[in-house]
Amino acid sequence: NAGVMQNPRHLVRRRGQEARLRCSPMKGHSHVYWYRQLPEEGLKFMVYLQKENIIDESGMPKERFSAEFPKEGPSILRIQQVVRGDSAAYFCASSPPRFAGDPHEQFFGPGTRLTVL
Amino acid sequence: EDKVVQSPLSLVVHEGDTVTLNCSYEVTNFRSLLWYKQEKKAPTFLFMLTSSGIEKKSGRLSSILDKKELFSILNITATQTGDSAVYLCAVEAETSGSRLTFGEGTQLTVNP
Repeated sequence: NAGVMQNPRHLVRRRGQEARLRCSPMKGHSHVYWYRQLPEEGLKFMVYLQKENIIDESGMPKERFSAEFPKEGPSILRIQQVVRGDSAAYFCASSPPRFAGDPHEQFFGPGTRLTVL
Repeated sequence: EDKVVQSPLSLVVHEGDTVTLNCSYEVTNFRSLLWYKQEKKAPTFLFMLTSSGIEKKSGRLSSILDKKELFSILNITATQTGDSAVYLCAVEAETSGSRLTFGEGTQLTVNP
């Protein structure tokens, strides 16, 4: 059973370009979460998605960032017109379907390290 | 706003030592507390705690939660160099959907 897959593992972009980060959850998991880890900082929640639905995007910057989790294919985190401050490690996590109120561990992928030149 | 504070921020020990890592939290409507180990890449799940006073154990690692005093500890006995990593504590609150709020982590270095 493969774990959470993310690609690319490393991504270099110049200021003003677009970055697309992909995440395939673990088999059987229908919930995806994106977190950002800035250098020397802890993980910060960005967005929580289920298939075709954004459930909570309270941690997502209002501009330039968007996320989707289509019916088919991986979840995509898209950053338009990247700036140097976007340089960070972006982690995706997934969890299985859950009943409201049930705690569930989140399993993390290896992350995508984005460097903006 | 949910808050998680870990201490110490860094710790250097010798192989064979026992270490205790601390995590205190402030959340509204607590649901669970999770510990992860991060070694330069993906945080690896260690424990999820939901009830006070029940110790979770896996090999040389163990953890316990105190919901009254709002903290958890992670113990590692007979440390090995392979235990060197950042240990992350996170909490999930019922009012925050399913997102995890992480502490800054404890950087543990185990020297031979």
